[in-house]
Amino acid sequence: QSVLTQPPSVSGAPGQRVTISCTGSSSNIGAGYDVHWYQHLPGTAPKLLIYGYTYRPSGVPDRFSGSKSGASASLAITGLQAADEADYYCQSYDSSLSGPYVVFGGGTKLTVV
Amino acid sequence: EVQLVESGGGLVQPGRSLRLSCAASGFTFDDYGMSWVREAPGKGLEWVSGISWNTDSIGYADSVKGRFTISRDNAKNSLYLQMNSLRAEDMGLYYCAKDRNKRGYSYGLDGMDVWGQGTTVTVSS
Repeated sequence: QSVLTQPPSVSGAPGQRVTISCTGSSSNIGAGYDVHWYQHLPGTAPKLLIYGYTYRPSGVPDRFSGSKSGASASLAITGLQAADEADYYCQSYDSSLSGPYVVFGGGTKLTVV
Repeated sequence: EVQLVESGGGLVQPGRSLRLSCAASGFTFDDYGMSWVREAPGKGLEWVSGISWNTDSIGYADSVKGRFTISRDNAKNSLYLQMNSLRAEDMGLYYCAKDRNKRGYSYGLDGMDVWGQGTTVTVSS
């Protein structure tokens, strides 16, 4: 079971908007650590999509955006395209007693129907 | 071009050892923390281990603590993962990843912006 909780799957039609949530706890997101988002096609290198909750690295389209609410974060994708079909992971940092650790969510599979 | 290239994966029997390497190029390696992240078959991404730019901070996932050792050789622009007492559950594609922030407080804190293509570890008798 992952430290950060994401829905296993989301889907949307081309052109639509979808959101993916990431819920943590008081030792990670709630402790003030940033959340980052990655796009991953299994077997290929993950790609950093969003860092620091809301910032996009150079080259990432503005269709991808991030937000924060309390001990949770969200990734929104607008204008869905077939090429967006991938797994999406949130990542943060956890300062529990036996840590610190880098922690990932369990991943969300996006299907463009 | 900023690049990370992993090597050293292969087929190994349970209980044996393997050493992974990650060759970095295109950036000042000793300014950045680094991590190993794995992808088990049919599973999600799992952080394995990280090391800060100055080696002051080193960490391991509970699942590998005491069996795996991360190290870096800044003169060779290389990151390593020594994996001992390998188990079937250690199988997967192992990626090395570079911290986004230069000289960050700790590994992975500010996100990881460059990843290698991975090296596959198979544990089987």
